[in-house]
Parts: sequence; structure tokens; C-alpha cells
Amino acid sequence: SQQGEEDPQALSIQEGENATMNCSYKTSINNLQWYRQNSGRGLVHLILIRSNEREKHSGRLRVTLDTSKKSSSLLITASRAADTASYFCATDTGFQKLVFGTGTRLLVSP
Amino acid sequence: EPEVTQTPSHQVTQMGQEVILRCVPISNHLYFYWYRQILGQKVEFLVSFYNNEISEKSEIFDDQFSVERPDGSNFTLKIRSTKLEDSAMYFCARSRTGDTEAFFGQGTRLTVV
Repeated sequence: SQQGEEDPQALSIQEGENATMNCSYKTSINNLQWYRQNSGRGLVHLILIRSNEREKHSGRLRVTLDTSKKSSSLLITASRAADTASYFCATDTGFQKLVFGTGTRLLVSP
Repeated sequence: EPEVTQTPSHQVTQMGQEVILRCVPISNHLYFYWYRQILGQKVEFLVSFYNNEISEKSEIFDDQFSVERPDGSNFTLKIRSTKLEDSAMYFCARSRTGDTEAFFGQGTRLTVV
């Protein structure tokens, strides 16, 4: 697998449900960041979690990081139709560049 | 969230032509990046730029590409002789330091015909 692989590739849920996306990576990291991308548009930064952190919250977002398993998860609680987008994890390995995963396409139906 | 502005939003160019993509700076951000995303594929790192020098570049960033920040103004990416495979969305990004959040612009969609 490549650095920064998300699963599932696609997720379809109803409004109000929770959405969980996972990211796995291969090398040691300084931090891991999650981004959202609406179709054909720019990347919106959601949250950054450092390698010495295990969990972080921001509004309806909860991110966990398990460096022993080289994995992270993004939980969106009480999802809304406006959460429909692609979500990417990106790892910072300390060389001033981010390595992006392939993304999870989330569809939230009203 | 700091706004990062890129111009133009969309550019169509003939193969072999030079293009310059621009990014508007944020004064307290010291690190600049260019990434690209070919349609349907993942976002790929091209280059990072700090203190008026390239600090890291990928194998994609060959001699056809160059970056500069002339007079501390716009941060630019130049592609000297475009190829069809250069068609992609190009994103500029900024961060205050090399290990903090990177904020991305809305991108420039480059179409090479």
C-alpha cells in the first residue's frame, strides 16, 4: 500500500449518521492532516494531529492517531448533506511536503 | 482560515507554450508550496519554497518547472513548455512553519491542448 491510503474509497450515509474514514501510512510522521475537497474545488484544511497526540476534536470532527499501527481515523458526527465531499489524509514526514492519500468520497443523503 | 488566492482560476494553453501560475502571499506565512492534482488522481507534491529558495522538490518538478517569489510579491510557478500531461489542477499552499497546517488556494485548472 502507498503512504496515506484511505478506506473506504466511498461511503454513502444518511443525514444525522456518523461517518468514519480511515487512513494508513507506512513511514514515520511528524504530523497528519485531514483535508476536505468539494468536487473540482480547493482543499480545505480540517485538522492537524501531531505524532505525540492520540486524539483531537474540532466541532463535529474527531481525529485519532495510532502511531504504532500507522493509522488515523476521521469521525464526522451528525453528518449533514453539506459534508458531502472527498476527504484526504496527508502525512508530513518532516521534509516540508505533504503526501496525500487517495481519498474517501463521502455522500450524505438528506 | 487564511485565504490563499490563486490566479487565474482556469487557463487553456497550446502545447509547447509557457504558462505562469500565480499565488497571492500572506505576510506571516514563510513556507510556500505547489501541488498538482491530475483529474481523478491524488494530490501530488511538486515543490516547497522557503527563504527564497527551493527547499524540497519532487521528481515531477523537472527542468520544465521553476518557482520564484519576485520582490516578495506573488509566488509563481512557471512551466516553460507545456505538455498534454501537464493538464491538471495546480494548488498553491502556505504554512507559517514547515510543520504546521498548510492552507491551500482554490487552484488553477490548467488545460493543455
